[in-house]
Amino acid sequence: SQTIHQWPATLVQPVGSPLSLECTVEGTSNPNLYWYRQAAGRGLQLLFYSVGIGQISSEVPQNLSASRPQDRQFILSSKKLLLSDSGFYLCAWSVLVGFTNEQYFGPGTRLTVT
Amino acid sequence: DQQVKQNSPSLSVQEGRISILNCDYTNSMFDYFLWYKKYPAEGPTFLISISSIKDKNEDGRFTVFLNKSAKHLSLHIVPSQPGDSAVYFCAASGAGNTGKLIFGQGTTLQVKP
Repeated sequence: SQTIHQWPATLVQPVGSPLSLECTVEGTSNPNLYWYRQAAGRGLQLLFYSVGIGQISSEVPQNLSASRPQDRQFILSSKKLLLSDSGFYLCAWSVLVGFTNEQYFGPGTRLTVT
Repeated sequence: DQQVKQNSPSLSVQEGRISILNCDYTNSMFDYFLWYKKYPAEGPTFLISISSIKDKNEDGRFTVFLNKSAKHLSLHIVPSQPGDSAVYFCAASGAGNTGKLIFGQGTTLQVKP
């Protein structure tokens, strides 16, 4: 069966510090991968998605970047965190089969920028 | 531009009664719709989905209805249980290999014992 891992679970970082969040998927090949952010009291905002190694699409201009160095690894980064980067970050994967398009989410990382 | 909208931020129902969560969309190119359930500090979990070629899909206590002419879908939970208390997100996707989902803002459901 497929599993998705995210770490760390929680993170407190000062403004201006770098960020690296990692996501890995097991049990599937060539998944589509996604990074979302949920700000306090808000919905899920798609930040980046990737349909293959080295292929990254950005949905919103921001202080963050993403990379996919391996088929089942997705990394979210920042060189200098802003207060507005605080939120709950979620990684998800999907494998498109016909009409079906379910995404499966990891446990999330709670990031607090102080 | 909010392409997927959940206009009710919250809903409270009594245990055993029906919960109806609503969702509207604006993009007629969406062809697949999903509902997710989310507990605090956890990732969303997939509940049920429906493709645009159907108007109803049922899975146990959960039924999703799609009205394409009104660009509206709803999730019915019958009977509601206290463990159903969570935030529910609807999502939509269109054609293409990206698998991108557009999520609504979520509705917080509280089921009272």
